[in-house]
Amino acid sequence: DTEVTQTPKHLVMGMTNKKSLKCEQHMGHRAMYWYKQKAKKPPELMFVYSYEKLSINESVPSRFSPECPNSSLLNLHLHALQPEDSALYLCASSQESGRGHTEAFFGQGTRLTVV
Amino acid sequence: AQTVTQSQPEMSVQEAETVTLSCTYDTSESNYYLFWYKQPPSRQMILVIRQEAYKQQNATENRFSVNFQKAAKSFSLKISDSQLGDTAMYFCALSPDKIIFGKGTRLHILP
Repeated sequence: DTEVTQTPKHLVMGMTNKKSLKCEQHMGHRAMYWYKQKAKKPPELMFVYSYEKLSINESVPSRFSPECPNSSLLNLHLHALQPEDSALYLCASSQESGRGHTEAFFGQGTRLTVV
Repeated sequence: AQTVTQSQPEMSVQEAETVTLSCTYDTSESNYYLFWYKQPPSRQMILVIRQEAYKQQNATENRFSVNFQKAAKSFSLKISDSQLGDTAMYFCALSPDKIIFGKGTRLHILP
């Protein structure tokens, strides 16, 4: 199974709402990532979890709150977002080797629209 | 700091031709991986090929091959016998402790 599953596929939320994005993988990968991707732009790294601990936060605003409940699950909690936060949110996972992070497997993404 | 640079924003080639996409990178790490990813309009990010920096031999996957020049920090992708299904955005990516992407090259395969 080389699949990363993200839910929901589409989400529309108001600026005062609280919502969560979910990601699941069963490949035994110990690194998990959240990326934000705007149209016609590359994925922009937000967070990296390594062995269920937050290892990298790329100065993401606190209205985005990641959580890794276990080695298979990754959540992204959203609160008080702005319209400019509308984007495709991608989850990915990879192995960690002594030579770096191996290739990441990506989910299909959640298309988020903030109104 | 780690950077990935793709200098070709857009390219078009005829079906069955060979095309090369360029990528340069910078990292101070001695151990890392390099990747090429493909993202069709359907938005799923798909791994095309990977290269381990400690291996001198260039990676090959069917019609896809790379030219890895470690000293020059260059990592180009060659697509042979291009097909209409190769039309997509192609991202070069670098991975020491995190995976970062170049800006991408939009590739159009023309019938």
